[in-house]
Amino acid sequence: EAGVTQFPSHSVIEKGQTVTLRCDPISGHDNLYWYRRVMGKEIKFLLHFVKESKQDESGMPNNRFLAERTGGTYSTLKVQPAELEDSGVYFCASSQVPGQGSYNEQFFGPGTRLTVL
Amino acid sequence: AQKVTQAQTEISVVEKEDVTLDCVYETRDTTYYLFWYKQPPSGELVFLIRRNSFDEQNEISGRYSWNFQKSTSSFNFTITASQVVDSAVYFCALSDPWDDKIIFGKGTRLHILP
Repeated sequence: EAGVTQFPSHSVIEKGQTVTLRCDPISGHDNLYWYRRVMGKEIKFLLHFVKESKQDESGMPNNRFLAERTGGTYSTLKVQPAELEDSGVYFCASSQVPGQGSYNEQFFGPGTRLTVL
Repeated sequence: AQKVTQAQTEISVVEKEDVTLDCVYETRDTTYYLFWYKQPPSGELVFLIRRNSFDEQNEISGRYSWNFQKSTSSFNFTITASQVVDSAVYFCALSDPWDDKIIFGKGTRLHILP
C-alpha cells in the first residue's frame, strides 16, 4: 500500500512568487493534515481536512496560505505571495476515521522543503 | 494548554556512548498520547513510538528505550550504544483523542561522532 506522497520534494522560489504544494494521502483516508517546520522551530499544525471540509484551520499563519482538498482526495497548499519566513519543511499526514476507542494514527509524508530567497 | 518541551537543543556524543533525550509535557487531559519521531538528514519524519497515558510501562526496542513517568510529566528517550546513523533531529510530541492535531516539541538535534 502506497504511503502519503508529497510533491515537489523541494522547491526554491523568490520572495513574492507563488508556490503550490501537493499532498496525496493514503487511499481511503478521510483525514488529511498539514504541518510545517520553519528553521529551528517546532513542527506546527496548520490545518485538518475531513474529506473536503476544513475541520480545523487554527494553525494557518495568515491569508497568504490557502489549502484546498477538492473531492476529498489530494490536497494542495498554496502560498501567495511567498515571504522569506515561509521557508521550511511542509509535512502532510493522513489518517482513517477510527473505530470507537481506536487511536487515529497519522501517517506522515516525506515533506516538501520550501526555500524562499 | 498542551505543550511539549525539549530542553536540549543539540547534543553531541561519541559513537557507542549512551544518550538520553529529555521530554517534558503539559496537558490537562487525563487521556493523551505521547510520541517520538526521528527526522534524519533526508528530511522525512519517521515514527518511533506511541504511548497512551494509561500505560506507564517502559518500553525497549533494540537499542532504543523509553521512560514514561506521569509523576514528572516526562517521556524520555534513551539510545544505547549510539551509532552514526542515529544522527538526526528527534521530536517528542503529544496529542489527545478529541483533537487530532499533534503538538510537537522543538526537537533535539543529535550528533553521533565517529
